[in-house]
Amino acid sequence: KQEVTQIPAALSVPEGENLVLNCSFTDSAIYNLQWFRQDPGKGLTSLLLIQSSQREQTSGRLNASLDKSSGRSTLYIAASQPGDSATYLCAVPTNDYKLSFGAGTTVTVRA
Amino acid sequence: NAGVTQTPKFQVLKTGQSMTLQCAQDMNHNSMYWYRQDPGMGLRLIYYSASEGTTDKGEVPNGYNVSRLNKREFSLRLESAAPSQTSVYFCASSVTGLGTEAFFGQGTRLTVV
Repeated sequence: KQEVTQIPAALSVPEGENLVLNCSFTDSAIYNLQWFRQDPGKGLTSLLLIQSSQREQTSGRLNASLDKSSGRSTLYIAASQPGDSATYLCAVPTNDYKLSFGAGTTVTVRA
Repeated sequence: NAGVTQTPKFQVLKTGQSMTLQCAQDMNHNSMYWYRQDPGMGLRLIYYSASEGTTDKGEVPNGYNVSRLNKREFSLRLESAAPSQTSVYFCASSVTGLGTEAFFGQGTRLTVV
Protein backbone atom coordinates (compact mmCIF):
# COMPACT_ATOMS: atom_id res chain seq x y z
CA LYS A 1 0.00 0.00 0.00
CA GLN A 2 1.32 3.42 -0.95
CA GLU A 3 2.04 5.61 2.08
CA VAL A 4 2.66 9.32 1.59
CA THR A 5 4.29 11.36 4.34
CA GLN A 6 4.85 15.08 4.64
CA ILE A 7 7.24 16.50 7.17
CA PRO A 8 7.06 18.92 8.90
CA ALA A 9 3.36 19.17 9.66
CA ALA A 10 3.69 22.92 10.14
CA LEU A 11 6.21 25.58 9.24
CA SER A 12 6.47 29.28 10.12
CA VAL A 13 8.92 31.56 8.33
CA PRO A 14 9.50 35.31 7.96
CA GLU A 15 8.56 36.94 4.68
CA GLY A 16 11.24 36.64 2.04
CA GLU A 17 12.65 33.35 3.24
CA ASN A 18 12.65 30.40 0.86
CA LEU A 19 10.32 27.53 1.71
CA VAL A 20 11.27 23.87 1.44
CA LEU A 21 8.44 21.33 1.74
CA ASN A 22 9.10 17.61 1.76
CA CYS A 23 7.03 14.68 0.55
CA SER A 24 8.02 11.03 0.72
CA PHE A 25 6.29 7.94 -0.65
CA THR A 26 6.89 4.25 -0.08
CA ASP A 27 6.25 2.76 -3.54
CA SER A 28 8.53 4.26 -6.16
CA ALA A 29 6.48 2.88 -9.08
CA ILE A 30 4.49 6.06 -9.59
CA TYR A 31 3.07 7.69 -12.72
CA ASN A 32 3.61 11.18 -11.38
CA LEU A 33 3.34 13.33 -8.27
CA GLN A 34 1.09 16.33 -7.85
CA TRP A 35 1.41 19.26 -5.46
CA PHE A 36 -1.68 21.11 -4.27
CA ARG A 37 -2.40 24.16 -2.19
CA GLN A 38 -5.40 24.38 0.13
CA ASP A 39 -6.54 27.59 1.78
CA PRO A 40 -8.68 27.33 4.95
CA GLY A 41 -12.23 26.33 4.09
CA LYS A 42 -11.42 26.09 0.39
CA GLY A 43 -10.79 23.45 -2.22
CA LEU A 44 -7.50 22.13 -3.53
CA THR A 45 -5.66 24.13 -6.16
CA SER A 46 -3.24 22.22 -8.35
CA LEU A 47 0.22 23.80 -8.28
CA LEU A 48 2.47 21.41 -10.18
CA LEU A 49 2.33 17.97 -11.72
CA ILE A 50 5.69 16.29 -12.13
CA GLN A 51 5.81 13.21 -14.32
CA SER A 52 7.78 10.14 -13.26
CA SER A 53 10.23 10.73 -16.12
CA GLN A 54 10.97 14.28 -14.97
CA ARG A 55 13.42 15.42 -12.32
CA GLU A 56 12.03 18.94 -11.95
CA GLN A 57 9.03 21.08 -12.80
CA THR A 58 8.86 24.85 -12.41
CA SER A 59 6.06 27.39 -12.31
CA GLY A 60 6.96 30.95 -11.37
CA ARG A 61 8.40 30.96 -7.84
CA LEU A 62 7.59 27.26 -7.41
CA ASN A 63 9.94 24.43 -8.22
CA ALA A 64 9.24 20.76 -7.56
CA SER A 65 11.84 18.05 -7.72
CA LEU A 66 11.28 14.32 -7.89
CA ASP A 67 13.63 11.49 -6.94
CA LYS A 68 11.72 8.28 -7.59
CA SER A 69 14.49 5.98 -6.46
CA SER A 70 14.55 7.49 -2.99
CA GLY A 71 10.79 8.06 -2.89
CA ARG A 72 11.02 11.80 -2.37
CA SER A 73 9.73 15.06 -3.78
CA THR A 74 10.52 18.55 -2.63
CA LEU A 75 8.56 21.71 -3.30
CA TYR A 76 10.59 24.91 -3.18
CA ILE A 77 8.87 28.28 -2.93
CA ALA A 78 11.25 31.17 -3.48
CA ALA A 79 11.01 34.50 -1.66
CA SER A 80 7.93 33.61 0.37
CA GLN A 81 5.08 36.09 0.82
CA PRO A 82 2.24 36.24 3.36
CA GLY A 83 -0.08 35.17 0.53
CA ASP A 84 1.79 31.86 0.39
CA SER A 85 0.32 30.94 3.79
CA ALA A 86 -1.75 27.78 3.23
CA THR A 87 -1.61 24.02 3.56
CA TYR A 88 0.40 22.26 0.89
CA LEU A 89 -0.45 18.68 -0.03
CA CYS A 90 1.34 16.19 -2.22
CA ALA A 91 -0.40 13.24 -3.86
CA VAL A 92 0.56 10.23 -5.92
CA PRO A 93 -1.73 7.92 -7.89
CA THR A 94 -1.83 4.51 -6.23
CA ASN A 95 -3.55 2.97 -9.20
CA ASP A 96 -5.12 4.45 -12.28
CA TYR A 97 -7.85 6.24 -10.43
CA LYS A 98 -7.01 6.93 -6.82
CA LEU A 99 -4.77 9.62 -5.44
CA SER A 100 -3.03 8.91 -2.16
CA PHE A 101 -2.48 12.13 -0.25
CA GLY A 102 -0.04 13.19 2.40
CA ALA A 103 -1.43 14.90 5.51
CA GLY A 104 -0.04 18.23 4.36
CA THR A 105 2.31 20.92 5.61
CA THR A 106 0.68 24.07 6.97
CA VAL A 107 2.78 27.10 6.12
CA THR A 108 2.62 30.48 7.82
CA VAL A 109 4.60 33.35 6.33
CA ARG A 110 5.01 36.17 8.82
CA ALA A 111 5.02 39.73 7.49
CA ASN B 1 -13.37 29.52 -16.42
CA ALA B 2 -15.44 27.53 -13.90
CA GLY B 3 -13.48 24.23 -13.77
CA VAL B 4 -15.19 21.94 -11.24
CA THR B 5 -18.36 23.30 -9.63
CA GLN B 6 -20.01 21.75 -6.59
CA THR B 7 -23.38 22.49 -5.06
CA PRO B 8 -24.33 23.15 -2.36
CA LYS B 9 -21.39 24.68 -0.51
CA PHE B 10 -22.86 24.04 2.94
CA GLN B 11 -25.55 21.68 4.20
CA VAL B 12 -26.93 20.57 7.54
CA LEU B 13 -28.90 17.33 7.63
CA LYS B 14 -30.69 15.44 10.33
CA THR B 15 -29.78 11.80 10.86
CA GLY B 16 -31.71 9.64 8.42
CA GLN B 17 -32.33 12.37 5.86
CA SER B 18 -31.16 11.97 2.29
CA MET B 19 -29.50 14.39 -0.06
CA THR B 20 -27.57 14.58 -3.31
CA LEU B 21 -24.35 16.49 -3.82
CA GLN B 22 -23.96 17.80 -7.33
CA CYS B 23 -20.75 18.17 -9.31
CA ALA B 24 -20.15 19.45 -12.83
CA GLN B 25 -16.95 20.04 -14.79
CA ASP B 26 -16.52 22.04 -17.98
CA MET B 27 -13.06 20.78 -18.98
CA ASN B 28 -14.25 17.83 -21.09
CA HIS B 29 -12.60 15.42 -18.66
CA ASN B 30 -13.34 11.73 -18.83
CA SER B 31 -12.72 10.80 -15.20
CA MET B 32 -14.47 12.16 -12.12
CA TYR B 33 -14.08 11.45 -8.40
CA TRP B 34 -15.63 12.03 -5.02
CA TYR B 35 -13.37 12.42 -1.97
CA ARG B 36 -14.08 13.22 1.63
CA GLN B 37 -11.69 15.12 3.88
CA ASP B 38 -11.67 14.58 7.63
CA PRO B 39 -9.27 15.88 10.30
CA GLY B 40 -6.58 13.30 10.98
CA MET B 41 -7.74 11.08 8.11
CA GLY B 42 -6.80 13.23 5.16
CA LEU B 43 -8.51 12.83 1.80
CA ARG B 44 -10.11 9.49 1.02
CA LEU B 45 -11.70 8.34 -2.24
CA ILE B 46 -15.39 7.45 -1.98
CA TYR B 47 -16.28 6.62 -5.60
CA TYR B 48 -14.91 7.35 -9.00
CA SER B 49 -16.05 7.27 -12.60
CA ALA B 50 -13.32 6.39 -15.07
CA SER B 51 -15.48 7.42 -18.00
CA GLU B 52 -19.07 8.24 -18.83
CA GLY B 53 -21.26 5.24 -18.05
CA THR B 54 -18.94 3.63 -15.48
CA THR B 55 -18.62 3.98 -11.72
CA ASP B 56 -16.49 2.13 -9.17
CA LYS B 57 -16.01 2.04 -5.43
CA GLY B 58 -13.10 3.72 -3.76
CA GLU B 59 -11.79 3.32 -0.21
CA VAL B 60 -14.89 4.37 1.75
CA PRO B 61 -18.05 3.74 -0.35
CA ASN B 62 -20.40 2.51 2.39
CA GLY B 63 -23.45 4.73 2.83
CA TYR B 64 -23.05 6.44 -0.54
CA ASN B 65 -24.24 6.01 -4.10
CA VAL B 66 -23.17 7.83 -7.23
CA SER B 67 -24.51 8.59 -10.67
CA ARG B 68 -22.51 9.66 -13.70
CA LEU B 69 -25.32 11.54 -15.37
CA ASN B 70 -23.33 12.48 -18.47
CA LYS B 71 -19.74 13.40 -19.25
CA ARG B 72 -19.99 16.66 -17.30
CA GLU B 73 -21.89 15.65 -14.20
CA PHE B 74 -21.21 13.24 -11.33
CA SER B 75 -23.49 13.22 -8.30
CA LEU B 76 -23.06 11.71 -4.84
CA ARG B 77 -26.10 10.58 -2.88
CA LEU B 78 -26.47 9.93 0.82
CA GLU B 79 -29.55 7.78 1.22
CA SER B 80 -29.78 7.87 5.03
CA ALA B 81 -27.32 10.33 6.51
CA ALA B 82 -25.37 9.43 9.64
CA PRO B 83 -23.25 11.64 11.93
CA SER B 84 -20.17 9.72 10.71
CA GLN B 85 -20.78 11.28 7.30
CA THR B 86 -20.12 14.75 8.65
CA SER B 87 -17.22 15.83 6.48
CA VAL B 88 -16.06 18.06 3.67
CA TYR B 89 -16.76 16.50 0.30
CA PHE B 90 -14.70 17.26 -2.78
CA CYS B 91 -15.41 16.44 -6.37
CA ALA B 92 -12.48 16.21 -8.77
CA SER B 93 -11.90 15.47 -12.43
CA SER B 94 -9.02 14.57 -14.72
CA VAL B 95 -8.57 13.99 -18.44
CA THR B 96 -8.20 10.27 -17.83
CA GLY B 97 -7.32 8.18 -14.81
CA LEU B 98 -3.83 7.44 -16.07
CA GLY B 99 -2.05 9.75 -13.68
CA THR B 100 -3.21 12.93 -15.36
CA GLU B 101 -3.58 16.17 -13.46
CA ALA B 102 -6.55 16.28 -11.11
CA PHE B 103 -8.64 19.41 -10.56
CA PHE B 104 -10.81 19.87 -7.50
CA GLY B 105 -13.99 21.73 -6.71
CA GLN B 106 -14.41 24.09 -3.77
CA GLY B 107 -16.04 21.48 -1.56
CA THR B 108 -19.31 20.88 0.23
CA ARG B 109 -19.22 21.16 4.00
CA LEU B 110 -21.81 18.68 5.33
CA THR B 111 -22.91 18.40 8.94
CA VAL B 112 -25.19 15.59 10.05
CA VAL B 113 -26.85 16.14 13.43
